[in-house]
Amino acid sequence: NAGVMQNPRHLVRRRGQEARLRCSPMKGHSHVYWYRQLPEEGLKFMVYLQKENIIDESGMPKERFSAEFPKEGPSILRIQQVVRGDSAAYFCASSLGQGTYNEQFFGPGTRLTVL
Amino acid sequence: DAKTTQPNSMESNEEEPVHLPCNHSTISGTDYIHWYRQLPSQGPEYVIHGLTSNVNNRMASLAIAEDRKSSTLILHRATLRDAAVYYCILSAIYNFNKFYFGSGTKLNVKP
Repeated sequence: NAGVMQNPRHLVRRRGQEARLRCSPMKGHSHVYWYRQLPEEGLKFMVYLQKENIIDESGMPKERFSAEFPKEGPSILRIQQVVRGDSAAYFCASSLGQGTYNEQFFGPGTRLTVL
Repeated sequence: DAKTTQPNSMESNEEEPVHLPCNHSTISGTDYIHWYRQLPSQGPEYVIHGLTSNVNNRMASLAIAEDRKSSTLILHRATLRDAAVYYCILSAIYNFNKFYFGSGTKLNVKP
């Protein structure tokens, strides 16, 4: 069973461009989470999605950032008009669902560099 | 979000036990305690979790204080592969979905 997959692993963008980060959850997982990690810091929660629904986006910046998890295909984190401060590692995690304890399984991350 | 406090770094010798402390004095009665670790250049991986009782699994043990205001992750025999940043995380029993990672403890294992 393949783990959580993220691509690309490394992404370089110039200021003002768009960044699209993809996350394929583990097979059978319908819950996806996105986190951002700045250098030497812990991960910061951004958004929690279930298939076709955003459940909690309290950690997402109000502008330029959006996330989706369509019925078919991977979850996408989209950053429009990137700025240097967006340079970070972005991690996706997935889980089976809520209710009893559900471990979050993390992908290897996408390292975004904004020039 | 309930906050946790961990030492910035700890050092251990290979094949010796390691006790990683975590203070969570504002924990509520419905908060789970989770431990994840992050190896260099990788995503975090689950280590263990608990609510009130001590827990054991193949990776580690979790000792939870009686008042639940602190906990300790125990690695019984540290290996070089255990060198990582260890995060102690709280989340409500009804809302596992938003983890607050904090800064974690960077564990260095010496051969």
